[in-house]
Amino acid sequence: KQEVTQIPAALSVPEGENLVLNCSFTDSAIYNLQWFRQDPGKGLTSLLLIQSSQREQTSGRLNASLDKSSGRSTLYIAASQPGDSATYLCAVDRGSTLGRLYFGRGTQLTVWP
Amino acid sequence: SQTIHQWPATLVQPVGSPLSLECTVEGTSNPNLYWYRQAAGRGLQLLFYSVGIGQISSEVPQNLSASRPQDRQFILSSKKLLLSDSGFYLCAWSVAISGNTIYFGEGSWLTVV
Repeated sequence: KQEVTQIPAALSVPEGENLVLNCSFTDSAIYNLQWFRQDPGKGLTSLLLIQSSQREQTSGRLNASLDKSSGRSTLYIAASQPGDSATYLCAVDRGSTLGRLYFGRGTQLTVWP
Repeated sequence: SQTIHQWPATLVQPVGSPLSLECTVEGTSNPNLYWYRQAAGRGLQLLFYSVGIGQISSEVPQNLSASRPQDRQFILSSKKLLLSDSGFYLCAWSVAISGNTIYFGEGSWLTVV
C-alpha cells in the first residue's frame, strides 16, 4: 500500500524566506505527483503536476522536483509572502485513471509579515 | 470554462439519519468523478470514483454509497449515519486522459451528532 509522508507537519516563517517542503512515498511505481494548496475550510487547488517521466515543474515562485527512484519530491517556494499561508498537500497517482490519489497529511505553512 | 458545484456546504446530522451530498460539473463531458473525505487528524482518502454513468468503484468499505445518475452529477449517500462519518467531503473531477490534473469542489462539512 502506498504511504505518503510530508515533512514538516507545520512551518512558521517570516516573509521573504525561501522554503522547502518535503514529500516522500513508499511505492515508486507512480504515474504522477501533484502538489496542492488548501486554504482553511476550503477545497484543494492544484499547484503543480509532475509526470513520472519528468524531473521538475515550475510555476511562478514555485518549483517542484521529483526523484521517482528514491520516492521523494520537494516543493520550493521562493520569497514567501503572507498570502502563501495555507496547507500544502502532496499526492501521488497510483494508476492510469488519474484522480485515484494517495495524499500526505500536509504541511501547514504560516508566513508572517 | 469548467466549474464544479458541491452542496450543501455545511450540515449537522443526528446519528442514524440519512445523508445526501450532491456534486455537479459544468463545462466538460464524460469526466471522471471522485468523492474524497478528510477526517480530523487524517489525510484525504478516496472513497469512490466513477468513469461513467452508473459506473461506481469503491475504494474502502464503509457506511456510504455513491451514485452517478447523469454524466456530470455525482451523489454521496448514506441510509444511516455514524459518528465516524463526520468529516470534510470533497467532490472532484478530471478529464479521462492521463497527465491532466484533478479539480476539487469547495467541500461539504458534515458533523454527525
